[in-house]
Amino acid sequence: SAVISQKPSRDICQRGTSLTIQCQVDSQVTMMFWYRQQPGQSLTLIATANQGSEATYESGFVIDKFPISRPNLTFSTLTVSNMSPEDSSIYLCSGEAGHTIYFGEGSWLTVV
Amino acid sequence: QQQVKQSPQSLIVQKGGISIINCAYENTAFDYFPWYQQFPGKGPALLIAIRPDVSEKKEGRFTISFNKSAKQFSLHIMDSQPGDSATYFCAASLNQGGKLIFGQGTELSVKP
Repeated sequence: SAVISQKPSRDICQRGTSLTIQCQVDSQVTMMFWYRQQPGQSLTLIATANQGSEATYESGFVIDKFPISRPNLTFSTLTVSNMSPEDSSIYLCSGEAGHTIYFGEGSWLTVV
Repeated sequence: QQQVKQSPQSLIVQKGGISIINCAYENTAFDYFPWYQQFPGKGPALLIAIRPDVSEKKEGRFTISFNKSAKQFSLHIMDSQPGDSATYFCAASLNQGGKLIFGQGTELSVKP
């Protein structure tokens, strides 16, 4: 199994600013993913975080808006850039261990 | 073709009853179908999963039924309990441990 910790767990951000979310896994994982979940909605994949190389983004998500880093097999960051109220959402980090995808508790961002 | 459609959106069941949630997919290349349970303020947690080479998988009170020809799968919760009240998501992926495509979610409420 894998325990995934995210920071911050919650934040209120000003429009136009950027925020970086950190994701730490307690063991090495092959795959790491970032999802967005708007309140009361389903999960939408933002990107696959690749260790040592550029992330692979899903349709509708771009690197300039959501830059992702993954310097090693246990850590990744997601930055939400130039935030607008539409970015208010829960951002979830996930990692694969033993062919199972585990999720963090999420980072709840409110943009005002 | 990448979508997973889930129904119903919400479900109310009496304690001791059977909860049934259904999902349908289009992409026949999907070969891993997990169900996740999410409580308010928490990240999704894997509940049970199935591969298309079996028609049914049971773990305790939770059963997945899989119909490959109909491209449908369902979650059955037997003897539903108030503690089962949560949001349930079906998902599909091209390989176990790969990126997940989620259904829309079902909010289950089990009344005492």
